[in-house]
Amino acid sequence: AQSVTQPDIHITVSEGASLELRCNYSYGATPYLFWYVQSPGQGLQLLLKYFSGDTLVQGIKGFEAEFKRSQSSFNLRKPSVHWSDAAEYFCAVPNNAGNMLTFGGGTRLMVKP
Amino acid sequence: EPEVTQTPSHQVTQMGQEVILRCVPISNHLYFYWYRQILGQKVEFLVSFYNNEISEKSEIFDDQFSVERPDGSNFTLKIRSTKLEDSAMYFCASSPGQGVQYEQYFGPGTRLTVT
Repeated sequence: AQSVTQPDIHITVSEGASLELRCNYSYGATPYLFWYVQSPGQGLQLLLKYFSGDTLVQGIKGFEAEFKRSQSSFNLRKPSVHWSDAAEYFCAVPNNAGNMLTFGGGTRLMVKP
Repeated sequence: EPEVTQTPSHQVTQMGQEVILRCVPISNHLYFYWYRQILGQKVEFLVSFYNNEISEKSEIFDDQFSVERPDGSNFTLKIRSTKLEDSAMYFCASSPGQGVQYEQYFGPGTRLTVT
């Protein structure tokens, strides 16, 4: 069964610094991959998704992610973090039918002023 | 922008009681989902629902749980005889179609505390 792993539970970065959140997947075929963000008191919001084709995916709020088959990774990046980016970030993979998402454990991002 | 809403935001119940968590999906969406997140753990899929039937469910979704679309707008999760380990944040989601290309839109969650 497909699964995703997020190795970092907590990350702290300074405002204005670059950010990379790691996600590793386990799946035989080319996976579909998602990144979601959960701000305090809010539901999960889709940041971006990868289906196929271009391995660099652009999302909302200035985020991007790069699919690397050789490393089984789909890391989320942002060149300059804003204080409002402090949230929890989840990598997820759908099942083949698309009616179930499997989430990674999440990475909590803290932003220092 | 349309949103998924959930009520209540926080529910406290005693062990053994039944609870009903309510969700109003986005109005033109046809597929509905429940997930839960136990504190400190990952978000886990519970069930997906379409056309008044369960289309997928996880091992977690046993006979203690049931889902229903009682009318044209609400989608509910019932937990019978709650246990301490049912304490979690429960998220409802909806999507306009089924397939990996369709985004699931999540509500803000209901925090369930079983005492």
